[in-house]
Amino acid sequence: EVQLVQSAAEVKKPGESLKISCKGSGYSFTSYWIGWVRQMPGKGLELMGIVYPGDSETRYSPSFQGQVTISADKSISTAYLQWNSLKASDTAIFYCARHGPPPNAFDIWGQGTMVTVSS
Amino acid sequence: DIQLTQSPSSLSASVGDRVTITCRASRNIKIYLNWYQQKPGEAPNLLIYDASSLQSGVPSRFSGSGSGTDFTLTISSLQPEDFATYYCQQSYTTLFTFGPGTKVHI
Repeated sequence: EVQLVQSAAEVKKPGESLKISCKGSGYSFTSYWIGWVRQMPGKGLELMGIVYPGDSETRYSPSFQGQVTISADKSISTAYLQWNSLKASDTAIFYCARHGPPPNAFDIWGQGTMVTVSS
Repeated sequence: DIQLTQSPSSLSASVGDRVTITCRASRNIKIYLNWYQQKPGEAPNLLIYDASSLQSGVPSRFSGSGSGTDFTLTISSLQPEDFATYYCQQSYTTLFTFGPGTKVHI
C-alpha cells in the first residue's frame, strides 16, 4: 500500500524548535516530489514548499522562505519540516503529500500533524 | 506566482442537486489544474487531475473541464457524503498554489 505516515501531534512553547516527519512507503520515494501544506484553524490549504528526495532539490513558496526548512533523507524514505523558533501563529495542521507525475497532482496525503504553539 | 480564485466561496445545496464550482487562474496554466475534496478532520483527497481526468476510485458523478484560465468542477447529483470543502490547485509551476476553497453545505 502506498502511504505517507506523519509524526504525532506536538505542543510547543514560543521560541522552541521543532522538526516533524513524513515517511513514505509502498513506492519509489526518490521519484516523486513531497510537498508540505499548512492549514491554519478554519482556513484553507497553503503550500509551504516541496522537496525532491532523489536529489534533495527544495523549493519554497515566497511566504515561507526563511521561515521553515524542508529536507529529505532518501535512505529512510522520510521528509522533514522544521522550525528554529516557533511562534504562536505557527499553530496549524501540517500535511505532507506526494506529487507526481504521474499523476501531475498531490495524489497521496499524510494524515496530518497538529502543531500547537502556546505559552 | 500564479493566483487562483474560486467561486462561489460557499454554496447551499440539496441532495440530488447539480453543483458547479469555478476556478480561475491569473494566467494561462494549460490543463494543469487539479481538484480536491476535504471533509472536516480529514486530509484532502484528489478528485480530478489535469483539468478533466478522474482519479482512480472517485465516483463518476464528479467531472472537471476547462483549460487556459477558466476551469469547472461539476457534481452531477450531490450525495450526502459530498458535503465538504473543495479546492483547486495548479501544477503548471512547481509553486503548486491552491485556491481559497468552496464550502458546499446543506
